[in-house]
Amino acid sequence: GIQVEQSPPDLILQEGANSTLRCNFSDSVNNLQWFHQNPWGQLINLFYIPSGTKQNGRLSATTVATERYSLLYISSSQTTDSGVYFCAVDLGTSYGKLTFGQGTILTVHP
Amino acid sequence: NAGVTQTPKFQVLKTGQSMTLQCAQDMNHEYMSWYRQDPGMGLRLIHYSVGAGITDQGEVPNGYNVSRSTTEDFPLRLLSAAPSQTSVYFCASGRSYEQYFGPGTRLTVT
Repeated sequence: GIQVEQSPPDLILQEGANSTLRCNFSDSVNNLQWFHQNPWGQLINLFYIPSGTKQNGRLSATTVATERYSLLYISSSQTTDSGVYFCAVDLGTSYGKLTFGQGTILTVHP
Repeated sequence: NAGVTQTPKFQVLKTGQSMTLQCAQDMNHEYMSWYRQDPGMGLRLIHYSVGAGITDQGEVPNGYNVSRSTTEDFPLRLLSAAPSQTSVYFCASGRSYEQYFGPGTRLTVT
């Protein structure tokens, strides 16, 4: 099956710092989503981004489908950004079949 | 809209007991899925459904049954719980590729 690798596995920042999270995938995909799992366990949709670039406030994401990777940028990080960031992809053979990466654990210190 | 709801939030079972995890969505989404999340790992797909009356297996289906008699509901059944099924279970729904997740059910099997 498709492989999804995220890096780095752990990231520790001071409040106000910027960061880049990476997601590599092994096959062509029709869907790529970024999620934030907050400390209470809730999965929050950040971006649906099978290709191109999107921005939402301090967060932005870029997917280069031809090179099979996606990047999530967090600028001016805040303590509320702490949690686990997951990348998930869908081959497109059927909707609702996401394959997740292992996640990046982000800790933002005040 | 309540979005995707899951009950119960927490459950403790003894080995061999059975139970049903409930999932409901009020967004008229065709696609629904169940995932499990084990410590330090991303989510893994258990079963999914592309519409009422249609279900299929995901990556880790053993020990779980599903059915989908209505668009709104997609229950997950554990027929004979085992300690290996201790996990956090997430239900998701979507109309196409973008998927939305419920708050999760934390299950412990002793």
